[in-house]
Amino acid sequence: GNSVTQMEGPVTLSEEAFLTINCTYTATGYPSLFWYVQYPGEGLQLLLKATKADDKGSNKGFEATYRKETTSFHLEKGSVQVSDSAVYFCALKRDPFQGAQKLVFGQGTRLTINP
Amino acid sequence: NAGVTQTPKFRVLKTGQSMTLLCAQDMNHEYMYWYRQDPGMGLRLIHYSVGEGTTAKGEVPDGYNVSRLKKQNFLLGLESAAPSQTSVYFCASSSPGQGVSPLHFGNGTRLTVT
Repeated sequence: GNSVTQMEGPVTLSEEAFLTINCTYTATGYPSLFWYVQYPGEGLQLLLKATKADDKGSNKGFEATYRKETTSFHLEKGSVQVSDSAVYFCALKRDPFQGAQKLVFGQGTRLTINP
Repeated sequence: NAGVTQTPKFRVLKTGQSMTLLCAQDMNHEYMYWYRQDPGMGLRLIHYSVGEGTTAKGEVPDGYNVSRLKKQNFLLGLESAAPSQTSVYFCASSSPGQGVSPLHFGNGTRLTVT
């Protein structure tokens, strides 16, 4: 079946450190891939997306590249800030041509950035 | 701009009690969804709707019912609550069309069933 696996957290870093959160997926065909972020007390919001192999999604200094050969979509940021502390979810959309956004989510990775 | 609004924010139920969670969106989105979030399991889709008057089952629909009588509202019902339904429930909406359209989430309802 279709699934998403993220690196286990929690992850704690110092401000200005380099961040990588690993995400791998299992899916048939060519799914669309996403990173959503959940700040404390809020719902999830879309951080970035990629819809085909070798696409790079980017937003707010975060980047992720759709790697079909390794079925991965790792999230990276060169210099994290305290305000990046949140829970990050990797997700896939199984059928990119379907209108409904029926996403399969990973388990989430809690990130804490210390000043 | 309210976006997606969920009520209530918190609720405690006893086993066997019933309740309805309300979701309202003001973005004129066709599609609406109910997810549950459990520790270590991410979000799982309960039910969704592709338009007014329509509903469909998601990944974990058992024990829940939904209704979409108005385009802007999507109700999630628990007829006989069980401790396994203790979770954080998120409503989301999205615009129609093929391809990728972001999900817009509410802030969640934390439900505890004792």
